[in-house]
Amino acid sequence: SQQGEEDPQALSIQEGENATMNCSYKTSINNLQWYRQNSGRGLVHLILIRSNEREKHSGRLRVTLDTSKKSSSLLITASRAADTASYFCATDDDKIIFGKGTRLHILP
Amino acid sequence: DTGVSQNPRHKITKRGQNVTFRCDPISEHNRLYWYRQTLGQGPEFLTYFQNEAQLEKSRLLSDRFSAERPKGSFSTLEIQRTEQGDSAMYLCASSLDGRELFFGEGSRLTVL
Repeated sequence: SQQGEEDPQALSIQEGENATMNCSYKTSINNLQWYRQNSGRGLVHLILIRSNEREKHSGRLRVTLDTSKKSSSLLITASRAADTASYFCATDDDKIIFGKGTRLHILP
Repeated sequence: DTGVSQNPRHKITKRGQNVTFRCDPISEHNRLYWYRQTLGQGPEFLTYFQNEAQLEKSRLLSDRFSAERPKGSFSTLEIQRTEQGDSAMYLCASSLDGRELFFGEGSRLTVL
């Protein structure tokens, strides 16, 4: 079963533009995490935001969390070709459940 | 620390055979997770351990799947009587107290 649902499923943007991905979930959570996966590889943790936080930054990443709407967004600023990957949100209610992901493609 | 290690990286087997995957987590991590991922989908939760205790197993997981984590160190995932629908990437991850997950590179299973 998958609790998180990312939107859009796929996104193509020009290098240098900002990319925004959204995640909606169904039940209450302790934390929400974002991960990145390059094709054929394991996932890499990007950022964790706790349920009592509203916004968090890490380098070019900005994550927001709205627990009243059960949604989160991941913003990647000044995108680079190396950002091409799939991005997943994961909710934590003890076990960690992933969404289906957003496939991001950065065009040169 | 060498990170999470999974073996074998690739396994091709015939339908009906049994296969076993091994995961060596980061040494101080007490939690270990198994996921299955098919092309274009997110990782699907299979099971997780806290130390040697298996705390939860997905209801979607058939009885052909079993996982162990003896002594709270490495873990094995066995699939008995494989079916073509079992073809997928099997991902292992470890964490300290359920925080960020560190993933291995996965074990890709192809059932012919």
